[in-house]
Amino acid sequence: ILNVEQSPQSLHVQEGDSTNFTCSFPSSNFYALHWYRWETAKSPEALFVMTLNGDEKKKGRISATLNTKEGYSYLYIKGSQPEDSATYLCAFLSGNTGKLIFGQGTTLQVKP
Amino acid sequence: NAGVTQTPKFRILKIGQSMTLQCAQDMNHNYMYWYRQDPGMGLKLIYYSVGAGITDKGEVPNGYNVSRSTTEDFPLRLELAAPSQTSVYFCASSYDSPGSYTGELFFGEGSRLTVL
Repeated sequence: ILNVEQSPQSLHVQEGDSTNFTCSFPSSNFYALHWYRWETAKSPEALFVMTLNGDEKKKGRISATLNTKEGYSYLYIKGSQPEDSATYLCAFLSGNTGKLIFGQGTTLQVKP
Repeated sequence: NAGVTQTPKFRILKIGQSMTLQCAQDMNHNYMYWYRQDPGMGLKLIYYSVGAGITDKGEVPNGYNVSRSTTEDFPLRLELAAPSQTSVYFCASSYDSPGSYTGELFFGEGSRLTVL
């Protein structure tokens, strides 16, 4: 059983704060790590697909880093806005299959 | 572009009934997936397919069956529905393997199933 853990489970920040959360995954047989953003009443949407140790991705105020040797990825949001409020999911792929396993998510609430 | 389309959006089943959740994508994606979402548990993979005629089990396949006779369609069959199958079901597709930079998943809007 592959364990993909996300922390914290939930987070409340003020508008303008920068924040980050963690995705931990098994360090053996790494193939890819995905990040998704899931707004209430919508479907998950992809943020990043990361495949190489040391990968850093950026999209606007959101960025992610990847450490496959120690089995973690960080997602950073700079200057949080209320529209960033959502659940952020990471998903881990072990081996070249379609078996993408999701963590339980980190729910972010940004207060104006 | 419709993307990933799931039907029905809502359904109530009695224990022991069977039903099929339909999923279709019009993006010519090779990979398709079924996930279920239980409160506080994130998304659990039920089955996936890497192409027409090929399917494989995910984390929680018991009580479900799938088929992939065409690239576009990936129906999920529930046989002998049980209360434990009450959940929101999401179908997704990707152009390539999720191990590829072009392997991001595109999700449908979800199907809420209640088994009473």
